[in-house]
Amino acid sequence: NAGVTQTPKFRVLKTGQSMTLLCAQDMNHEYMYWYRQDPGMGLRLIHYSVGEGTTAKGEVPDGYNVSRLKKQNFLLGLESAAPSQTSVYFCASSYPQGAGRGEETQYFGPGTRLLVL
Amino acid sequence: DAKTTQPNSMESNEEEPVHLPCNHSTISGTDYIHWYRQLPSQGPEYVIHGLTSNVNNRMASLAIAEDRKSSTLILHRATLRDAAVYYCILKAGYALNFGKGTSLLVTP
Repeated sequence: NAGVTQTPKFRVLKTGQSMTLLCAQDMNHEYMYWYRQDPGMGLRLIHYSVGEGTTAKGEVPDGYNVSRLKKQNFLLGLESAAPSQTSVYFCASSYPQGAGRGEETQYFGPGTRLLVL
Repeated sequence: DAKTTQPNSMESNEEEPVHLPCNHSTISGTDYIHWYRQLPSQGPEYVIHGLTSNVNNRMASLAIAEDRKSSTLILHRATLRDAAVYYCILKAGYALNFGKGTSLLVTP
């Protein structure tokens, strides 16, 4: 199993350009997440999905859109990139464990480094 | 969300035990205590989690205070490959709320 993979690994954009980051998981997980990590900081949740066709906003959703058309894929879109979106983007997935959400453990991809000039 | 407090950095010698502390005085009854680590230039990796009782797995042990207001991640024999940022996270919902974590330096 490849686990969680992310495409591309690195990208440079100019302000105003658009792009889509792809996350794929082969573990048949129900839940998927997009986080961003700025230098010297912890990860912050952008959007997440609890199933195919469903998405929800996280802590920092502005400027991003997401889609979950297939269970194994979670796409993160930047419609008009801004320098403030320069960051490392991590995707994660998880599956239901225990009675509530607290027990679930997340599996992370290797990250996509995005530089917006 | 309940927050955690960790030291910014710690240092350990190789092959010695490491105790990484975490304070979470505002923890609620439904919060699980999770630990993740992030090696340089990699995504976070799950280490261990628990609710009330101490937990052991192949990577580490988690000691939880009786009042649950603090916990300690124990690496029994640190190796150079354990050098990473360690995050203590309280989880009750979908998200993992990462703070800045503890940067662990392991010296030979």
